[in-house]
Order: sequence, then C-alpha cells, then structure tokens
Amino acid sequence: SQQGEEDPQALSIQEGENATMNCSYKTSINNLQWYRQNSGRGLVHLILIRSNEREKHSGRLRVTLDTSKKSSSLLITASRAADTASYFCATVFQGAQKLVFGQGTRLTINP
Amino acid sequence: DVKVTQSSRYLVKRTGEKVFLECVQDMDHENMFWYRQDPGLGLRLIYFSYDVKMKEKGDIPEGYSVSREKKERFSLILESASTNQTSMYLCASSAPYLGTDTQYFGPGTRLTVL
Repeated sequence: SQQGEEDPQALSIQEGENATMNCSYKTSINNLQWYRQNSGRGLVHLILIRSNEREKHSGRLRVTLDTSKKSSSLLITASRAADTASYFCATVFQGAQKLVFGQGTRLTINP
Repeated sequence: DVKVTQSSRYLVKRTGEKVFLECVQDMDHENMFWYRQDPGLGLRLIYFSYDVKMKEKGDIPEGYSVSREKKERFSLILESASTNQTSMYLCASSAPYLGTDTQYFGPGTRLTVL
C-alpha cells in the first residue's frame, strides 16, 4: 500500500504544550500535505510542503520533510483546546493527482 | 473561500435502496473526489473525476457509480445500498492549475444503511 502512516495514533497533552505528529510514506512524492478534521466534519487543509523543501511554517504550525527517510512531522506550538482534532498527512506521488491519506493522529488538548 | 457542499449531513436508508449523494463546489475546480471514511481505515478513495463526463475508479469503487454532468456537481450513486456501505462520505475538489493538489472538502454525509 502507498498509504502513509501516522504516529502516534492518539496524543493527549495539556493546553500550552507542544504537539508533534509524524508521518511516514513509502514512495517518492511531489508534495506532502497536512489536514485537520474536527469531530464528524470535513477535512481542512493546513499546510503543504514540496519535495524540495525541508521546513515550512504557518502561524503555530511547523512542518518538516525528510525525503531521505520518507518522513514528515507536524509541530503545533502552544496548543489550545481548539486544536483538538484528528490530523492527517496526505501525499501526492510523482505522476499522480490523487492524494493518499494516512490514518490520522487523534490529538486531544486538555484544559 | 472555496465552498464545497454536500446534499445531506445525515442520511438513513434501507438495504436495497438506490442512494444519491450530491456534491457541489463553487470554485470552478476541474477535479472532484469521493471518499469514504471508516474508523481504523482512514480515508479511502472511491471515484474521482478530472473533468465533466470523465471518471476514474479509485481504490474501492465496487458497489458505487458516479456522475458528472456539470463541472460543479459530482454525484455518488449506491445502486443497491448494503449495510457495509454505512460510513461517512466525504466529497472534495481541487484545481491543478493552481499548481498544488490541495483538496477542499465538504462537511461530509453520514450514511446509515439499515
């Protein structure tokens, strides 16, 4: 399967702490994207990192990409209760327009 | 902002019924997608479309068909609903001309087949 894998499957932290989620994939990619899904809702795009980029920032989000290890991480700094959601990585493989989603990390921020 | 709407948030149908799930996007996107999401299985692609009247099978097309008669509308059809099609169905669209493959999702339809 080309599906990415996220780690951990679930993460519970205190408000204000940083949250780190990891994603691994198997084949060469064009880009890797992170999405958030609030309970029972659709997915919302957070950030995209291209295969020739190593790090990208957007507000409290920091994404890294290591193509040699075929892995990416998403860091959310200074977490808030509103960050409670599931987070998915999605990869676009070379030559394709489809996204392949991982199974997600369920993040819970405790007040 | 891109808006993707789905015809129903919740739907309950009986086994054997024909079910239509509608998806509409308002940003003139070429690509549209249908996924189902199940606990432990993540998002799985059912069908996608690159243009009007074009369709491509995804990873799990069995038991489903699609229709794209207009650019903004992509319909998922369950010809004869079965209980194993109880799931959350998500529609998405994207615009390759923007240079990314970012997908914009609708709110989802939670379908229960009794």
